[in-house]
Amino acid sequence: GAVVSQHPSWVICKSGTSVKIECRSLDFQATTMFWYRQFPKQSLMLMATSNEGSKATYEQGVEKDKFLINHASLTLSTLTVTSAHPEDSSFYICSARDRTGALNIQYFGAGTRLSVL
Amino acid sequence: AQTVTQSQPEMSVQEAETVTLSCTYDTSESDYYLFWYKQPPSRQMILVIRQEAYKQQNATENRFSVNFQKAAKSFSLKISDSQLGDAAMYFCAYRRGGAQKLVFGQGTRLTINP
Repeated sequence: GAVVSQHPSWVICKSGTSVKIECRSLDFQATTMFWYRQFPKQSLMLMATSNEGSKATYEQGVEKDKFLINHASLTLSTLTVTSAHPEDSSFYICSARDRTGALNIQYFGAGTRLSVL
Repeated sequence: AQTVTQSQPEMSVQEAETVTLSCTYDTSESDYYLFWYKQPPSRQMILVIRQEAYKQQNATENRFSVNFQKAAKSFSLKISDSQLGDAAMYFCAYRRGGAQKLVFGQGTRLTINP
């Protein structure tokens, strides 16, 4: 099956610093990638939809200046948490849609645990 | 707006037994897709099974099968011959035809008792 690589798997940072998370589709091209946030024992909350070569579409309530998304190629999207604070600590998951696949399935990365001290 | 509801926060089953996880959804669309994803302790989301709304036949993947009741807007997952490796959070998800976003349910934590 299709593989989505997410890096890093765990990051600890100081309050006020920025953190970048990468999401790569390894064996397929993804015109669309998605970024989710997951709190402990809760479901996935969609933050934004990332389209290759264009601006991301953010869900209501998600600060676009806080969570910068760049989708510069068909295989890479990045999420930068700017000026991170302890309340940004969470599990972030990306997914990618295989644009060539007839099944139009989203494949997920393994997630990134962000801890802001 | 479409919603997905999983009414069972937790379920448990004896190893080798069968368990059914419930999911209901609300939509006015006729073209849509339904999914079950598994999230084991590693937290890697894995697609378990997929159902197109236009198909009457229930999807099956080895020990996993669904009971798709379109009129009732119900999409339950049956796991047969449960194995220890089936222990995970299971999320039901909906996607409108032509759309990109998935709408997830709250999840059901499945425990397998040896």
